Amino acid sequence: EPEVTQTPSHQVTQMGQEVILRCVPISNHLYFYWYRQILGQKVEFLVSFYNNEISEKSEIFDDQFSVERPDGSNFTLKIRSTKLEDSAMYFCASSEALRQWINEKLFFGSGTQLSVL
Amino acid sequence: AQSVTQPDIHITVSEGASLELRCNYSYGATPYLFWYVQSPGQGLQLLLKYFSGDTLVQGIKGFEAEFKRSQSSFNLRKPSVHWSDAAEYFCAVGVRAGNNRKLIWGLGTSLAVNP
Repeated sequence: EPEVTQTPSHQVTQMGQEVILRCVPISNHLYFYWYRQILGQKVEFLVSFYNNEISEKSEIFDDQFSVERPDGSNFTLKIRSTKLEDSAMYFCASSEALRQWINEKLFFGSGTQLSVL
Repeated sequence: AQSVTQPDIHITVSEGASLELRCNYSYGATPYLFWYVQSPGQGLQLLLKYFSGDTLVQGIKGFEAEFKRSQSSFNLRKPSVHWSDAAEYFCAVGVRAGNNRKLIWGLGTSLAVNP
């Protein structure tokens, strides 16, 4: 089965530093997502992205966050100035562009564990 | 407000025993329901989903789930658990988010399997 690839698997950074989390979605997918899971809490939706723009974002996704598709294969999440509370597992996901959107299957990466010290 | 509740944080079963993981949801419209599994070091993998039709859905790895509208539930079941089923299980409801969809997740149930 095709895979979504995320790198690195674990990133440690100092508070206030910028981090970029990288994802390679499945090649023919057009919808991209970021979710995160703080330890002991629910998986939370951050942002969805289609046609080179943000489609939807949650209240978590403030001005410190940005997403980009810099080339034809990567999808990145940037946190400009990390805070302690940004420590979480970040999951990237992608899906095809089906006519009936709800029938899409989300493929998730294995996650990047971000630790902010 | 949309929400998903998984009442059991942790469950331990013996290998070969049956399993039922509970999931309750709160959503005003027709729910689109999912169960995902996360094994250690792995991404979230879709086990099964319910959109419409038959309320008993079959998934991968021998899992099934039953949608009960009257109880707002979507419990996951497996008749005989294998040691490799030890993982974290997440129930989720799909809602529209702009042109895409987003998933509202439960807290997860951690499954341990005794030999």
